[in-house]
Amino acid sequence: NAGVTQTPKFRILKIGQSMTLQCTQDMNHNYMYWYRQDPGMGLKLIYYSVGAGITDKGEVPNGYNVSRSTTEDFPLRLELAAPSQTSVYFCASSAFGQGSAGELFFGEGSRLTVL
Amino acid sequence: AQSVSQHNHHVILSEAASLELGCNYSYGGTVNLFWYVQYPGQHLQLLLKYFSGDPLVKGIKGFEAEFIKSKFSFNLRKPSVQWSDTAEYFCAVNTYTSYGKLTFGQGTILTVHP
Repeated sequence: NAGVTQTPKFRILKIGQSMTLQCTQDMNHNYMYWYRQDPGMGLKLIYYSVGAGITDKGEVPNGYNVSRSTTEDFPLRLELAAPSQTSVYFCASSAFGQGSAGELFFGEGSRLTVL
Repeated sequence: AQSVSQHNHHVILSEAASLELGCNYSYGGTVNLFWYVQYPGQHLQLLLKYFSGDPLVKGIKGFEAEFIKSKFSFNLRKPSVQWSDTAEYFCAVNTYTSYGKLTFGQGTILTVHP
């Protein structure tokens, strides 16, 4: 059982470039999330989805976009990368609403550097 | 909106010392509470969770936490830490109206010296 899989693990971007972080889960969870982690700041929610075709903004959505065409996949797109987007990004899924308290299952993380 | 506060940014202990990490949340309604651990270079892993019942919750690796509703607290404890407990610890909360979104505290770095 793979759980939550993110790619790539590392990426260096130049200012103004765009890229997509891929995330897929095989646990049939309805809820999926993208967080960014910065030192001393905890994790901040970027976007989330409660099911295929439904997404909504989190706490720090500016500069990002998401889509959810299937239950399994929840890619995060960075448009016009900026140094402020240098961070570690975590995708997570949850069985919230499916008899679960909503613990998150995290991917391995994607370390992005924008130069 | 809910928020979570962890009192200590960095805690340094010697092996066999007891550990208590503070966590307070702000939300007036029913909450689910979590502690996650992140070992260096790794993703977050669930240590324990509280969603109902006994307010004293036991988790993996000898950790436990106590939910005190009147104090809006969910402190993490371990009677005797090991060098392998060196990691960053995050407290988090969600509510039934939050679509499962977890709000995280800032994290506490624990360093255990052998």
